[in-house]
Amino acid sequence: GNSVTQMEGPVTLSEEAFLTINCTYTATGYPSLFWYVQYPGEGLQLLLKATKADDKGSNKGFEATYRKETTSFHLEKGSVQVSDSAVYFCALISPNSNSGYALNFGKGTSLLVTP
Amino acid sequence: KAGVTQTPRYLIKTRGQQVTLSCSPISGHRSVSWYQQTPGQGLQFLFEYFSETQRNKGNFPGRFSGRQFSNSRSEMNVSTLELGDSALYLCASSLGLGGNYGYTFGSGTRLTVV
Repeated sequence: GNSVTQMEGPVTLSEEAFLTINCTYTATGYPSLFWYVQYPGEGLQLLLKATKADDKGSNKGFEATYRKETTSFHLEKGSVQVSDSAVYFCALISPNSNSGYALNFGKGTSLLVTP
Repeated sequence: KAGVTQTPRYLIKTRGQQVTLSCSPISGHRSVSWYQQTPGQGLQFLFEYFSETQRNKGNFPGRFSGRQFSNSRSEMNVSTLELGDSALYLCASSLGLGGNYGYTFGSGTRLTVV
């Protein structure tokens, strides 16, 4: 079946540090890949997505490249801010055997950025 | 434009009771999905509706059910509540089925079962 594995947190960084959150996946077919962010007390916000191999998703300084050869979709940001503190979820979507779609999420990585 | 609206935001129920949660999708979105989020299990898919039909269902007991109305609004119902049903229930809407459209989530309903 489909699954997503992402690095365990929490990750603590100083402001302006470089961020990498690793994400690898297992899926049948050609999934679409997503990063969502969840701020305290809120729902999920779509951060970026990629729908085919070698696509790069980007938004608000965050980037991730769909690497089919390594089944990975690592999230990166060159210079984090305190406001980036949140929980980040890697997810994929792929049709299941019943011709429906469901997002498969990783466990989430908590990021804390200190001034 | 308005986002995905979930009501109520917070709910406290007693074991054995039933509960109904509501989700209003973004205008024009026809797909509504429901997810359960708990600290132990993370985010788990409950079901997805499109054009008033359930298209996909996750691995949850029959106590969990849902429906979608002609205006795309959706409700989910949990009967005979158990303590383990305490969770944040998230609704997501999309223009259509499939990953290319992307999903927009609501802020969730936090259910506490006592």
